[in-house]
Amino acid sequence: GQQLNQSPQSMFIQEGEDVSMNCTSSSIFNTWLWYKQDPGEGPVLLIALYKAGELTSNGRLTAQFGITRKDSFLNISASIPSDVGIYFCAGSRSRDNYGQNFVFGPGTRLSVLP
Amino acid sequence: DAGITQSPRHKVTETGTPVTLRCHQTENHRYMYWYRQDPGHGLRLIHYSYGVKDTDKGEVSDGYSVSRSKTEDFLLTLESATSSQTSVYFCAISEYGDTNTQYFGPGTRLTVL
Repeated sequence: GQQLNQSPQSMFIQEGEDVSMNCTSSSIFNTWLWYKQDPGEGPVLLIALYKAGELTSNGRLTAQFGITRKDSFLNISASIPSDVGIYFCAGSRSRDNYGQNFVFGPGTRLSVLP
Repeated sequence: DAGITQSPRHKVTETGTPVTLRCHQTENHRYMYWYRQDPGHGLRLIHYSYGVKDTDKGEVSDGYSVSRSKTEDFLLTLESATSSQTSVYFCAISEYGDTNTQYFGPGTRLTVL
């Protein structure tokens, strides 16, 4: 099946630092989603991207839909302790009457040191 | 938060027993999905539904069946649970249209002994 790669797998940063992570695929996608998951909870949608080159912000988070349509990037500015968690990307090629079937990356685990 | 609940939240069962997990939504969304999450694999799609009584298989559907008799409920059944089905199961929903972003429930942790 389709595979998504996320990098880095994990990262430890100091509070206040900026964070960058990315997601790459061998396939072209029409939609990219970024989720955050806290322990014991379901993933929560952060940002949705629908067009190549699109840059979308949600507070301190900014995500971009790569122009090749095979990658996406998530940046977090001025990290705070509550940013700790696992960040997942998800990509989909289909957009039809059967809904979108997303492929999920393995996640980037973010730890913030005080 | 999207109105999605899953029940039970935790379950321990024995190999060979049938298990049914329930996903309930109050958003009247057309599409519903069942995923499993395992370390190193991320989220993998088991089955999904694109309407009442309309379902299809996902990436890892073997050993699972689903039913959707009402818009608000999507059931996942393990006819004869195996230890390899120990996992955390998430339900997700999305509404019709181009912007079919998915919203997730809180998850069910299933342990098969």
